[in-house]
Amino acid sequence: SQQGEEDPQALSIQEGENATMNCSYKTSINNLQWYRQNSGRGLVHLILIRSNEREKHSGRLRVTLDTSKKSSSLLITASRAADTASYFCATDYGSSNTGKLIFGQGTTLQVKP
Amino acid sequence: DADVTQTPRNRITKTGKRIMLECSQTKGHDRMYWYRQDPGLGLRLIYYSFDVKDINKGEISDGYSVSRQAQAKFSLSLESAIPNQTALYFCATSDADRGGNQPQHFGDGTRLSIL
Repeated sequence: SQQGEEDPQALSIQEGENATMNCSYKTSINNLQWYRQNSGRGLVHLILIRSNEREKHSGRLRVTLDTSKKSSSLLITASRAADTASYFCATDYGSSNTGKLIFGQGTTLQVKP
Repeated sequence: DADVTQTPRNRITKTGKRIMLECSQTKGHDRMYWYRQDPGLGLRLIYYSFDVKDINKGEISDGYSVSRQAQAKFSLSLESAIPNQTALYFCATSDADRGGNQPQHFGDGTRLSIL
């Protein structure tokens, strides 16, 4: 399997703190995407970073990509209780523009009020 | 994403039964995907389709089949269900090519239990 690895598997922080999640992958990619999953719900797309980009911001989210190390990180600043969820990285890999994604195993984030 | 609707949301059935999970979308996307999610394993791709009548196998297609009879609908079938197919199943859609950098939009899933 070419599935990515995420760490930590679980993270518990206080509201207002920053949360950092890491993702590593194995093959060259077209882009890397981050998704959030609230309990009992489907995945929601957060941010997409292309292979030729190194950093991207969206609101309180900051994503970095290091293709030489085949790794990415997601930083959530000033966390809120509503950020409690599981976070997944997914890599769009290979040729032919298939849009096929390989998902990591996820990081479960708990933000305590 | 309310634009991607999965039915049923929950299903309990017995080993050997045939089951169909339905997915419909109002986003007008050409591409549709079926995934299964197991605890600790993330999501794995079962089948995907880029257009009506276009079917492609994913990572774990054995024991499953799909049908794409219309742009808006993509159904997943388990011909003879077995207990290790107990999982959470997700349908997703994405827009077609624009350099391939398109996010996927997910339904809320079908929780399937096979006894």
